[in-house]
Amino acid sequence: LAKTTQPISMDSYEGQEVNITCSHNNIATNDYITWYQQFPSQGPRFIIQGYKTKVTNEVASLFIPADRKSSTLSLPRVSLSDTAVYYCLVVPEYSSASKIIFGSGTRLSIRP
Amino acid sequence: ETGVTQTPRHLVMGMTNKKSLKCEQHLGHNAMYWYKQSAKKPLELMFVYSLEERVENNSVPSRFSPECPNSSHLFLHLHTLQPEDSALYLCASSQEGQVTTGELFFGEGSRLTVL
Repeated sequence: LAKTTQPISMDSYEGQEVNITCSHNNIATNDYITWYQQFPSQGPRFIIQGYKTKVTNEVASLFIPADRKSSTLSLPRVSLSDTAVYYCLVVPEYSSASKIIFGSGTRLSIRP
Repeated sequence: ETGVTQTPRHLVMGMTNKKSLKCEQHLGHNAMYWYKQSAKKPLELMFVYSLEERVENNSVPSRFSPECPNSSHLFLHLHTLQPEDSALYLCASSQEGQVTTGELFFGEGSRLTVL
C-alpha cells in the first residue's frame, strides 16, 4: 500500500479556506485517494474520495494533479466545528476496507 | 448518526473485572471491525469479521476476545486488562465487494479506562 505524508498539525481562522496537502509518491495505478475526518472522541468519517483531477461535495473539494503523487483537501470558509483530525489514505480499488491503514493525520485547529 | 451504535460510551474497570463492549450496525453491511485508538497514536486494527467469520486478528492479546453472533452485532469481551489498555475502542462496518474502495462507517467509540 502506498505510504502517505501529511502535516502533523495546521492552524487557521474562521472564514478562511484551508488546504491540507498529502503526498503519496508511490501511488499505484489502481489506487484511490480518500480522506476521513475525525472529531474529538468520535470515530472517523469518510468525507471525500477521488482518482484524478477534482472532486467536490458538500463538505470539501479534493484536487489531484495529473501525476497523482499528491493531493490537496480544500475546506472552504472553515468554522470552529471543522476542528478535527484529517486523514489522507490511499486504497487500492476493489480492496477490502480491512486494508485501510490510518496514519497520524493532520490535526486542524480553527480559531475564532 | 452513522448507523453504527456502540455501548457503553464510557467504561471504567479494574484489572480483575470482566466487561464487554457492544456494537450494532443498522446499515446492512457484511463486515465489522474493532479498532483501538490510544492517545496520540494512530488507529490500530484489532479484529475483522466478514460474513460473521473472523478473517483478521492483528496479534491482539488474548485478554481481548471478540464475538460476532450475526452480521449486525459485534462484541469485544474484556478480561484481566492492563492500564495500558485504556483507550478509545471503535467499531466500524463496511460492505465488502463494492465497486471502488471499501468505505468504513465508524461508531462513536467506547472510552475505556482501566484502573
